[in-house]
Amino acid sequence: QKEVEQDPGPLSVPEGAIVSLNCTYSNSAFQYFMWYRQYSRKGPELLMYTYSSGNKEDGRFTAQVDKSSKYISLFIRDSQPSDSATYLCAMSETSGSRLTFGEGTQLTVNP
Amino acid sequence: DTAVSQTPKYLVTQMGNDKSIKCEQNLGHDTMYWYKQDSKKFLKIMFSYNNKELIINETVPNRFSPKSPDKAHLNLHINSLELGDSAVYFCASSQGGTGELFFGEGSRLTVL
Repeated sequence: QKEVEQDPGPLSVPEGAIVSLNCTYSNSAFQYFMWYRQYSRKGPELLMYTYSSGNKEDGRFTAQVDKSSKYISLFIRDSQPSDSATYLCAMSETSGSRLTFGEGTQLTVNP
Repeated sequence: DTAVSQTPKYLVTQMGNDKSIKCEQNLGHDTMYWYKQDSKKFLKIMFSYNNKELIINETVPNRFSPKSPDKAHLNLHINSLELGDSAVYFCASSQGGTGELFFGEGSRLTVL
């Protein structure tokens, strides 16, 4: 069983839709949770960074962490074609320890 | 100015050959990494260096040898390449080993 599970998709939505991306994990020691976005043929870039449980909002993006359920989500409001990318969740036990990545969900937003 | 740059971007080579990938970061970070991304987009850490010292060495065949001549550079040498080594190799850096990694654009290795 993988430490971090993420549905690889692909996920295809119309422009303007609300997108929900999710990861589950098994290691209860994870405390730091991140979402990376990776465009085709590019390296991943950090999108959201959260510590412990709760919500964090940045523009059209909201990250949620539910440690009791070992479940994290990324919501994208008013999705745009420029949001088309692979989204990878990542998590670690401490701020300086190694990251464990999910498999990535491929998202396409159609105009 | 590119923050994390890797060369070459593409390598196509025969089984059994040796190849190297170079990485440089100009962010002033003290920690650098090599990650391998397979065809399913799964990113797996291979090595991590902090101030030229190896701190993470995952279960990677010893045909893979990283070298960090200084904290701004991290190279990866691969001996006796195998078909299964075909992947995209990403270099990344961070400050203080935090979760905020800055990735290069990747080096796409194809072993024939």
